[in-house]
Amino acid sequence: EAGVTQFPSHSVIEKGQTVTLRCDPISGHDNLYWYRRVMGKEIKFLLHFVKESKQDESGMPNNRFLAERTGGTYSTLKVQPAELEDSGVYFCASSQEGQGLNTGELFFGEGSRLTVL
Amino acid sequence: QKEVEQNSGPLSVPEGAIASLNCTYSDRGSQSFFWYRQYSGKSPELIMFIYSNGDKEDGRFTAQLNKASQYVSLLIRDSQPSDSATYLCAVRFSGGYNKLIFGAGTRLAVHP
Repeated sequence: EAGVTQFPSHSVIEKGQTVTLRCDPISGHDNLYWYRRVMGKEIKFLLHFVKESKQDESGMPNNRFLAERTGGTYSTLKVQPAELEDSGVYFCASSQEGQGLNTGELFFGEGSRLTVL
Repeated sequence: QKEVEQNSGPLSVPEGAIASLNCTYSDRGSQSFFWYRQYSGKSPELIMFIYSNGDKEDGRFTAQLNKASQYVSLLIRDSQPSDSATYLCAVRFSGGYNKLIFGAGTRLAVHP
């Protein structure tokens, strides 16, 4: 079974440009999360989809970030226009629905490294 | 105050020793606690979860939880060089839907 896949693995863009990151979760996983790790800092939550609906977007830094999950399958995260501080590794994770308190394991992709020059 | 706090390390232990990794968290109502391992350039992978006070053992790994002290730890017995990685503590905060809050991670180096 395929894991969580992310594309691109690395993107280098100039300040002001637009970048779109894509995440394909594990098939059948309704929950999809975006996280970001800025160098030296913790992995920070960005947002959470349940199927195609945004359940929690409290971690989105500002309105330059737009996440979508049309049809409840893959998700995209667009940064427009990109700023220097957006550089980091963007992780996508997915999990099955209704796992309760005891499990709730998140399966992570390998991340998309974004470098804004 | 950081929500989930870990010592960044590096924690250096000799092969065969016990590695002890610690984590504190700020939300007293938290219910679920996770330890992820991340090799450089790879995705985080779950190694343990715990939700009850006390110890939980899985092979060479033992997770310990003390909710009164808001403290969770991971012990790795018989440490191997292949255990060298960053260990991430993650907490599911109360009222936070399903999202996990991560610490910055502790880098473990096991030397032969």
